[in-house]
This record gives sequence, structure tokens and C-alpha cells, in this order.
Amino acid sequence: SQQGEEDPQALSIQEGENATMNCSYKTSINNLQWYRQNSGRGLVHLILIRSNEREKHSGRLRVTLDTSKKSSSLLITASRAADTASYFCATEETSGSRLTFGEGTQLTVNP
Amino acid sequence: SQTIHQWPATLVQPVGSPLSLECTVEGTSNPNLYWYRQAAGRGLQLLFYSVGIGQISSEVPQNLSASRPQDRQFILSSKKLLLSDSGFYLCAWSVVVDEKLFFGSGTQLSVL
Repeated sequence: SQQGEEDPQALSIQEGENATMNCSYKTSINNLQWYRQNSGRGLVHLILIRSNEREKHSGRLRVTLDTSKKSSSLLITASRAADTASYFCATEETSGSRLTFGEGTQLTVNP
Repeated sequence: SQTIHQWPATLVQPVGSPLSLECTVEGTSNPNLYWYRQAAGRGLQLLFYSVGIGQISSEVPQNLSASRPQDRQFILSSKKLLLSDSGFYLCAWSVVVDEKLFFGSGTQLSVL
């Protein structure tokens, strides 16, 4: 069953702009993870944020988590054409269910 | 360093034929192993996961089975493929269950 839902489904921006993607979920979680997938390839892990954390950074990536609103956001600053990919959030529920992936946001960065 | 190998990259099979997809991990011991399927433009659906040799958990009833004959080998099989088995199959591993998964490059399976 789907837990995380990304918003928007698709996002198109110009190089140099910031890209923000959101993920909402329904139940209590232990952690939330963001992955990136280039077309026709496997997923690459970007960031894991635990339920007791509010914000994490990795290079140009910034992830926030609001457990009261059951939502997370992924911000990519100063985007590049190479950031073009699909971005997925995945949640590990406290219920013990296995990691559940959302449907993804397709990001296109135009040069 | 750890690496994951998944093959083949593309596979076209007739309905009713058998299937065997193999995934191996190098550079780590006792990894947690996963098989996912992804429909075009969609998220990932967990099919099977394994926390050790011979230990397989199935998440959804389906026409597929999985085996883990060796510590770092995970095999996805079917005796008779259905049209609905078409999709992009991804193998993954992790040190901690459900944390920071490392994915293979995927197999695009078309059942005709």
C-alpha cells in the first residue's frame, strides 16, 4: 500500500533555480528517506531523516520533516541540468511494515 | 567498496515461459536483500526481502518466487510468466533493514 505521496508529480525549472518537492504520509514513521532515479536506472539514496530530526543537509540538498503535519520536503538549491531525474520519498512505518515508496516527482532542469 | 550486480538489463520473454533474474552483492557480508518491481512512471512495489540465507519474506501474492542460495545471491524466479509480470525489476541491499538501500541497475522485463 502507498504511504508517501509526492507533490508535485512533475516540476520543470531553469538551471540555477531552486527545486522543492514535498512528500506527505499517513501513519507514524521511524524515518523518511529520499531517493533519486535517472531514467531507466536504479535508485540512489540521497538522505535519511529520522522522526526525531527536523532538518538535514547534504551538499545542495536540504530535507525537512514535520511529523505533526506528516510531511517532508526536499530542496535542491542552484539546480543543474544533471539534477534532472525522478525523486522518491520512502517511509519506514513504526508499525513494522516494510519501506514504502511514493509515486515520485519528475524533475526537469532546463539548461 | 560494495557493489551490486543485476542482470540481464533487458529481457523479452513469451507468456508461459520461465524466468530467472539474478542479483549478487560484493564487498559486504550478510546483507539484507530486496526485490522490487516498478511499473512505468510509478513507485516501487516490494516483492520479496531476505535477512539471511534461506530466509525469504513475500510481500504480495503473485506468480513469482525468490531464493537466496548464498549469502550475497538473490534470485527471482517464475515457472510461467504472465503478461502482468512485465515491468522494471530492481534488486537492492542494505546493512540495516529498510535503511539506505543500494539498488542495482534494474532489469526491464517485457512479457509478450
